[in-house]
Amino acid sequence: DGGITQSPKYLFRKEGQNVTLSCEQNLNHDAMYWYRQDPGQGLRLIYYSQIVNDFQKGDIAEGYSVSREKKESFPLTVTSAQKNPTAFYLCASSPRGGRGSGEQFFGPGTRLTVL
Amino acid sequence: GQNIDQPTEMTATEGAIVQINCTYQTSGFNGLFWYQQHAGEAPTFLSYNVLDGLEEKGRFSSFLSRSKGYSYLLLKELQMKDSASYLCAVIYPSYNQGGKLIFGQGTELSVKP
Repeated sequence: DGGITQSPKYLFRKEGQNVTLSCEQNLNHDAMYWYRQDPGQGLRLIYYSQIVNDFQKGDIAEGYSVSREKKESFPLTVTSAQKNPTAFYLCASSPRGGRGSGEQFFGPGTRLTVL
Repeated sequence: GQNIDQPTEMTATEGAIVQINCTYQTSGFNGLFWYQQHAGEAPTFLSYNVLDGLEEKGRFSSFLSRSKGYSYLLLKELQMKDSASYLCAVIYPSYNQGGKLIFGQGTELSVKP
């Protein structure tokens, strides 16, 4: 089945530790995105990548890092520099280059809790 | 700057019709999406508008007026399972040339029996 997977569903970490969230897609999409969602709020863009080996900062990139070494994978690292990392993290992908409406398809999300 | 406004929450009765509004002020516009999100789950695509007018898809319809910076999502024959958050997102500025989506804060809809 085609889709986006994120693992794990729930993640707990101690304050001061870096943690990497996984995102994999087999939809052959060029573009991938990371969002953060806090309770009662919309999605805020952390990083996005339109093509392999290239990515851009979103609106709240501080304290996060990403890599895009493969088309299928876009892991997000939450570093100890992120002041308030507890949140629901969503990964998304979309085709680009004018194919379709550019709709983004979302993974199931990872809920990160920093203790 | 970019700004998207939606009501924070709405309540409606099962079987009724509800309209969720979204206004946007962005320096560029290349289309608008509506997504549905149940608590703790991923957003799922509902509709896409790029031209003025109404797009109908079953019980859900979405309207766009680019001159007014306004969209609405219309839900008919409400069911309990429609209780969810509804997210409005604007494509800015040139999506297929490296742009991005800007999301509103979402409207939490509660459907009562």
